[in-house]
Amino acid sequence: GQQVMQIPQYQHVQEGEDFTTYCNSSTTLSNIQWYKQRPGGHPVFLIQLVKSGEVKKQKRLTFQFGEAKKNSSLHITATQTTDVGTYFCAGRPGSTLGRLYFGRGTQLTVWP
Amino acid sequence: NAGVTQTPKFQVLKTGQSMTLQCAQDMNHNSMYWYRQDPGMGLRLIYYSASEGTTDKGEVPNGYNVSRLNKREFSLRLESAAPSQTSVYFCASSDSRQETQYFGPGTRLLVL
Repeated sequence: GQQVMQIPQYQHVQEGEDFTTYCNSSTTLSNIQWYKQRPGGHPVFLIQLVKSGEVKKQKRLTFQFGEAKKNSSLHITATQTTDVGTYFCAGRPGSTLGRLYFGRGTQLTVWP
Repeated sequence: NAGVTQTPKFQVLKTGQSMTLQCAQDMNHNSMYWYRQDPGMGLRLIYYSASEGTTDKGEVPNGYNVSRLNKREFSLRLESAAPSQTSVYFCASSDSRQETQYFGPGTRLLVL
């Protein structure tokens, strides 16, 4: 069964509003990665988090890894139309070498 | 440096026909993966190859076979296509250490 749950499935925001997507695992993860897929495109790697409680920023994007290494979030401040796409988290359980488990993704729509 | 390439880009099959999806990477990665993406289901792993000469089943392997031809190439074969296999297929590769996955542009398959 799916080991990484991601919510919400869809999010519609007005340009300038904030956006957050959440990822949860039933097992401890050795790391978590985030990917973005533009409409009609392929997933593209954004970032990897490895340490408990880690926070990383990329311009308006803030990524967090939970203290227990079982959850993560991606927060976008002041969304722009260029942020449109589907955001996926992907985690590697500590016992499974090399294989990532992808969440189902959050599809973000930004209204101008 | 083309990254990950996939052929064909689009394909229409009739039920029962067979076909092979080709994938190649030029990044000297050890690991390669085949995913299918369906609306609302995220990325589901079909098969993966942790290294040349090895292949393992993912979440949804039924109806598919794979061949890791060499370090560069990983093909996915549908022996007898079914309408349920209508999907977008992505190939990906990763370095064993970094684990970041690099995706190809995808193959859009329609089975009638």
